[in-house]
Amino acid sequence: KNQVEQSPQSLIILEGKNCTLQCNYTVSPFSNLRWYKQDTGRGPVSLTIMTFSENTKSNGRYTATLDADTKQSSLHITASQLSDSASYICVVILFGNEKLTFGTGTRLTIIP
Amino acid sequence: NAGVTQTPKFRILKIGQSMTLQCTQDMNHNYMYWYRQDPGMGLKLIYYSVGAGITDKGEVPNGYNVSRSTTEDFPLRLELAAPSQTSVYFCASSYSTGGPTYEQYFGPGTRLTVT
Repeated sequence: KNQVEQSPQSLIILEGKNCTLQCNYTVSPFSNLRWYKQDTGRGPVSLTIMTFSENTKSNGRYTATLDADTKQSSLHITASQLSDSASYICVVILFGNEKLTFGTGTRLTIIP
Repeated sequence: NAGVTQTPKFRILKIGQSMTLQCTQDMNHNYMYWYRQDPGMGLKLIYYSVGAGITDKGEVPNGYNVSRSTTEDFPLRLELAAPSQTSVYFCASSYSTGGPTYEQYFGPGTRLTVT
């Protein structure tokens, strides 16, 4: 069964610190992987999109990595800000029918 | 550009009532989608459309209907509301499918409670 698992489920860190969120997937065959940020009460917003051949993709203070061999991805947030408090969702797209499989997300809270 | 807009933001329904969730996009996207997000779960695809007049079922279509008469609008209809349909509903649109070039843009969501 195609699945996307994220860890940790929730995370609390101090403002200014770095953190890394994990995503493991069993989706195959793989087309691309995306990280979304979802603020409370809002729809998800795309942060990064990575294809099979890409190992790293950055978007400001957000850096996503992908290891297609081990089927793992991570999202690293540098110098966290209060506005980074949100849920971060990993989404893997199936090659062929382009179906999106969503992870359950990591709830990140930044405290001053 | 307003992007993807959804109405209403919140709604409480009684069991057996019907309602339509509205979704409009102004980006001239061909593809539109309806998802539901239950607490602690990943988004699940209800229905999608690849263009005006064409719709297809997603993972969890039971209890819902859709239509796509224009490129801009993609309403979701609940005919006989059940408590299991309590969820947050997101509409999304994209220029094409989930290939690497084409992002999905999400609306702000409709929070529906069925009691």
